[in-house]
Amino acid sequence: GAGVSQSPSNKVTEKGKDVELRCDPISGHTALYWYRQSLGQGLEFLIYFQGNSAPDKSGLPSDRFSAERTGGSVSTLTIQRTQQEDSAVYLCASSLSSTSGGNNEQFFGPGTRLTVL
Amino acid sequence: AQSVTQPDIHITVSEGASLELRCNYSYGATPYLFWYVQSPGQGLQLLLKYFSGDTLVQGIKGFEAEFKRSQSSFNLRKPSVHWSDAAEYFCAVAPDMNRDDKIIFGKGTRLHILP
Repeated sequence: GAGVSQSPSNKVTEKGKDVELRCDPISGHTALYWYRQSLGQGLEFLIYFQGNSAPDKSGLPSDRFSAERTGGSVSTLTIQRTQQEDSAVYLCASSLSSTSGGNNEQFFGPGTRLTVL
Repeated sequence: AQSVTQPDIHITVSEGASLELRCNYSYGATPYLFWYVQSPGQGLQLLLKYFSGDTLVQGIKGFEAEFKRSQSSFNLRKPSVHWSDAAEYFCAVAPDMNRDDKIIFGKGTRLHILP
């Protein structure tokens, strides 16, 4: 399809296990963002990619969280040794680079709902 | 630091009634402003955005928003809501769209529609 896709749509895991969440951005979009949405907390910025590099990792809540992007396309968010407080919806968005003229509207995927038991 | 405040966590209106969702931002210069909607089980969809020019912005689904610099506000309005408008609405600000900068979101306002 033409939109941002994320997989899996739902993930249930046990505390202490590692999880990988995947994001496929819109073709041609060089910027990619990860957000976390917890109940009643709005959207929390996690990390931003421009191409394969991550100029801004300031939102990653701990060193258990990491993300990579290869080929300027697909991105994977990895959470190691998951904790119950990691339970949330993880949203991915992509946009054209802002260097194209200040109109980098972000297009969001449907999210991955992570439940840590 | 830049911030976005949506003072109403929940709002309930009757179908056919008018709607106004409040949004205030904190930023020294004129930011870029957005409203997104998230319907149940769906991703976020952009309703409208303000970059410059006319302070009254028209969006999709009959929504509009007005940028008021003096009040640091960007309130979302709709003259007559439909049951399908029940969703969560997020106001967002991007301090400088010419940098590859993140968008800062408010905590959201959940809209409930009474039949």
